[in-house]
Amino acid sequence: AQKVTQAQTEISVVEKEDVTLDCVYETRDTTYYLFWYKQPPSGELVFLIRRNSFDEQNEISGRYSWNFQKSTSSFNFTITASQVVDSAVYFCALSPPNFGNEKLTFGTGTRLTIIP
Amino acid sequence: DSGVTQTPKHLITATGQRVTLRCSPRSGDLSVYWYQQSLDQGLQFLIQYYNGEERAKGNILERFSAQQFPDLHSELNLSSLELGDSALYFCASSPGQSSPLHFGNGTRLTVT
Repeated sequence: AQKVTQAQTEISVVEKEDVTLDCVYETRDTTYYLFWYKQPPSGELVFLIRRNSFDEQNEISGRYSWNFQKSTSSFNFTITASQVVDSAVYFCALSPPNFGNEKLTFGTGTRLTIIP
Repeated sequence: DSGVTQTPKHLITATGQRVTLRCSPRSGDLSVYWYQQSLDQGLQFLIQYYNGEERAKGNILERFSAQQFPDLHSELNLSSLELGDSALYFCASSPGQSSPLHFGNGTRLTVT
């Protein structure tokens, strides 16, 4: 069985601070995909990143960076120099590649509020 | 803009009624997925269609059904609605099984 835990239900930081959103996962699969999605106040779900379990290199995209550590089953997401537009609910998700998206398991989300 | 279009944006109806939610996938995407997002259950996979055929079923109630048409748009039918069916219903599409999902803006259903 797959499980994704986002222990931080809500986080508030002041604008320009860095913030890290934690994601811990459980799976018996040896290969899998990890995802982050953003849900802004407008409600849509925006795809941010997908990582293959084979690739443990950290990734940076602008102010966003992701730290994948297989040893601790974590896939944390850091926003550097946060902005008000980063306020949203962020979901971490997990899927086994062989079974596709119907096995996509989402965490419960972390609500991030950036205070101006 | 994800390219996935969902209509209507909001729907308010009474218990016992039936509604149809519509989804147009991104151009070229053959797979359509339906998800339900509620406060108590989080994001739950309901059902997947691939090129017109049902491919996978998740936690979908028997009162709910879906189909995908030859033009690849999909409809989710919810019947005998209950208060607990109030939720945000998302459609997502992808070109293949293991490609990332791209979600529409959702349909917010309120059952009164």
